[in-house]
Amino acid sequence: EADIYQTPRYLVIGTGKKITLECSQTMGHDKMYWYQQDPGMELHLIHYSYGVNSTEKGDLSSESTVSRIRTEHFPLTLESARPSHTSQYLCASMTGRETQYFGPGTRLLVL
Amino acid sequence: AQTVTQSQPEMSVQEAETVTLSCTYDTSESNYYLFWYKQPPSRQMILVIRQEAYKQQNATENRFSVNFQKAAKSFSLKISDSQLGDTAMYFCASTITDKLIFGTGTRLQVFP
Repeated sequence: EADIYQTPRYLVIGTGKKITLECSQTMGHDKMYWYQQDPGMELHLIHYSYGVNSTEKGDLSSESTVSRIRTEHFPLTLESARPSHTSQYLCASMTGRETQYFGPGTRLLVL
Repeated sequence: AQTVTQSQPEMSVQEAETVTLSCTYDTSESNYYLFWYKQPPSRQMILVIRQEAYKQQNATENRFSVNFQKAAKSFSLKISDSQLGDTAMYFCASTITDKLIFGTGTRLQVFP
C-alpha cells in the first residue's frame, strides 16, 4: 500500500476564497502529479513535478498553482475559488518510470 | 498525439463469471508501460496490473490478467471469478515519458 496522503478529503467553500490542497508522500518519490477528475470521468493532468523546485503545467489548463519546496510535499493552491473549480483532485507520486501511486483525493465544492 | 481508448463505457457481469475490458492505445515511444487502475466508488485509485511493453509475456495478478497485443496496440484486462468487490471504474493508462495518459474508463458492475 502506497503512503501518499491528501488533506482535506472534502472541502466546501465559498466563491472567492483562497484554498490549498495538501499532498504528502513518505516514499521519497521524486516525481509528483496533480490530476483533476469529475465524478466517474477520466483523469486530466494539471500539474507535475520532477523534483524540488521543479513544477510544470499539465495537459489541462488550470488556474491553480503548485510548489515543490520539499521532496515529500506538493501542495496545490487556488487563489480565488470559483464554482467551475468544483471537482475531485487526485495527487500521485512515482519514482523512476514505474507505477504512479495515488492519494485518496480531495473532493472540492465551490458554492 | 498519444491516445488511450476504452470503447466500453459500462459493463456488467455476474458474480463468479469472467469479463474482459478492452483498451487500445497509440504511442510513438519504443519503451513504454501499460497499466490498469481500479477506482471503487468514492475510494482510492489503486493499481490492478502493469505490463512492460518489451516483455512479450502477458502480466497476471491473481484473478486479473491481460492480453497484450503489441502489434495491434491492444491491452485488454480479463477478470476471472468476478467478485462483488470488483465493482469499480477501471482505467487503462499508458506512459508518455514520465507521465500517464488515461482512457475514459469503463464502469464495471458485478451482480450477485
